[in-house]
Amino acid sequence: NAGVTQTPKFRVLKTGQSMTLLCAQDMNHEYMYWYRQDPGMGLRLIHYSVGEGTTAKGEVPDGYNVSRLKKQNFLLGLESAAPSQTSVYFCASSYLQGSPYEQYFGPGTRLTVT
Amino acid sequence: KQEVTQIPAALSVPEGENLVLNCSFTDSAIYNLQWFRQDPGKGLTSLLLIQSSQREQTSGRLNASLDKSSGRSTLYIAASQPGDSATYLCAVRRQAGTALIFGKGTTLSVSS
Repeated sequence: NAGVTQTPKFRVLKTGQSMTLLCAQDMNHEYMYWYRQDPGMGLRLIHYSVGEGTTAKGEVPDGYNVSRLKKQNFLLGLESAAPSQTSVYFCASSYLQGSPYEQYFGPGTRLTVT
Repeated sequence: KQEVTQIPAALSVPEGENLVLNCSFTDSAIYNLQWFRQDPGKGLTSLLLIQSSQREQTSGRLNASLDKSSGRSTLYIAASQPGDSATYLCAVRRQAGTALIFGKGTTLSVSS
């Protein structure tokens, strides 16, 4: 059981470039989330999904798009990267049914935009 | 809007000391609260989860309490060890299945 995995672990982009971050979970969780973590700001929710084919905006969605074509995968896309998107990105997942909706986190992707 | 505050932002203690980390939240209508540990450059590891109907949860040397009416939670660490050095994050869930709202964390340093 790998849990929640994220690809890549590190990436450096130039302003204006695009990229996709991949999150995969093997726990058959319905809910998946993307957060970003910045110094002094804590973790903030970017987008989330309550099931295959569904996505919704979180607290800081601007500049990002997501897709959930398969239940086990949740992709986060940056169409035109900006220095303000330099951050550490975390993916998480949780069950839909029953309590307590405990979230399991991936190891993170450290992204630098120059 | 729910806001989560953790005090202090940083804490240094000698090995063996018992300590308390504090977490407060502005809206008492929560579903549950989760405490995490984060080591430098690493992901988040769940430590304890307290449902809104519970008062406390224990795991080994860790004890988390919840006073929903006053909007407070504490994480008690007994007999601290250098290996406990990390950042501890508190997060609340407003409703079942919704995303977590995080505090900024308390960075703990335990010296030997």
